[in-house]
Amino acid sequence: SAVISQKPSRDICQRGTSLTIQCQVDSQVTMMFWYRQQPGQSLTLIATANQGSEATYESGFVIDKFPISRPNLTFSTLTVSNMSPEDSSIYLCSVGDPRETQYFGPGTRLLVL
Amino acid sequence: DAKTTQPNSMESNEEEPVHLPCNHSTISGTDYIHWYRQLPSQGPEYVIHGLTSNVNNRMASLAIAEDRKSSTLILHRATLRDAAVYYCILRAYSGNTPLVFGKGTRLSVIA
Repeated sequence: SAVISQKPSRDICQRGTSLTIQCQVDSQVTMMFWYRQQPGQSLTLIATANQGSEATYESGFVIDKFPISRPNLTFSTLTVSNMSPEDSSIYLCSVGDPRETQYFGPGTRLLVL
Repeated sequence: DAKTTQPNSMESNEEEPVHLPCNHSTISGTDYIHWYRQLPSQGPEYVIHGLTSNVNNRMASLAIAEDRKSSTLILHRATLRDAAVYYCILRAYSGNTPLVFGKGTRLSVIA
């Protein structure tokens, strides 16, 4: 299993600013994933982050808006840039597992005013 | 990923069994059937998965139709702590393929 922590757990931000969300895993993992969960909705995959390479973004998400870093096998950051109220969501970090189980962090609750 | 269809919501009485259905008529031969659940204010957590045979673990049982076009997650005795959104997800055989979530079924448990 993998234990995932995220910082911050929640934040309230002003429009036009940026927020960087940190994801820490207690073991080395090859791939990490970032998801967004808008209010009352299901989870949507933002991007896949591999250590040492550029993140792969899903349709509708771009690097300029959601830059991702993956400096090592236990850590990743997601930045939400130039925020607007539409970015108010829960952002979740997730890691895969060779046995096909995926683990999720507790999420970062973001409110943009 | 192949699409799954689940009821939007279901309700159960506490300590009774719950059968959560999932239709996946376009499933391919290499797709595993995964179930995750999301408790309130938490990230999703793994429940169970299977390929062809029925599966049991400490959390639940997974019954898979013979043609694999549908499956049922069975909670043997629902508790208030089982109130969550349950997601049925098809995932190709690969530990590195991220899960793609549908809308899931919101299970309410009544005391």
